Amino acid sequence: KNEVEQSPQNLTAQEGEFITINCSYSVGISALHWLQQHPGGGIVSLFMLSSGKKKHGRLIATINIQEKHSSLHITASHPRDSAVYICAVRIETSGSRLTFGEGTQLTVNP
Amino acid sequence: NAGVTQTPKFRVLKTGQSMTLLCAQDMNHEYMYWYRQDPGMGLRLIHYSVGEGTTAKGEVPDGYNVSRLKKQNFLLGLESAAPSQTSVYFCASSLWGRDTFYEQYFGPGTRLTVT
Repeated sequence: KNEVEQSPQNLTAQEGEFITINCSYSVGISALHWLQQHPGGGIVSLFMLSSGKKKHGRLIATINIQEKHSSLHITASHPRDSAVYICAVRIETSGSRLTFGEGTQLTVNP
Repeated sequence: NAGVTQTPKFRVLKTGQSMTLLCAQDMNHEYMYWYRQDPGMGLRLIHYSVGEGTTAKGEVPDGYNVSRLKKQNFLLGLESAAPSQTSVYFCASSLWGRDTFYEQYFGPGTRLTVT
């Protein structure tokens, strides 16, 4: 079983819909990252959080340390949000190294 | 700033050939990483470096070697390429803080095919 599980694996939405992507992990962590991989392959960091909630534009990331769960929300989705969203955790005993989920492929149709 | 750059962007090798992938960063980051990304799997750490002159094994180090002779460069070598090493390779870098964690900045990737 992977230490980091994402759901769903694939998600198709209509423009304007509210989107939620989930990430569950099974180990103690010091931080959790959400990343976005564009169709061209480039990877950018969206959020890094260790507690609570962070917001950037239409993106919101939350984490519940007790439940070992994080969610990434996209409000008023747009076709340009179509990408792979990746959850990664920094395991407590692994220093700076990250362990990645498999990613969620999001497609937003106009 | 160019951020993190990777050379080459694409490469096709025959089984048994060798090659070196170059990663360069201009952000004065201490930490650098090499990952591979395969279909249906998350990014997996090959090797990493916590500073100039130091390297360490990651999750899938077999068949690869690395060197960090200069702080800004991190080289990934394949001595004898195998078809199982067909993948997309990403380099990343980050700052280091004793009690602070920093995001990783990724390069654009190198698509390697071994035939």
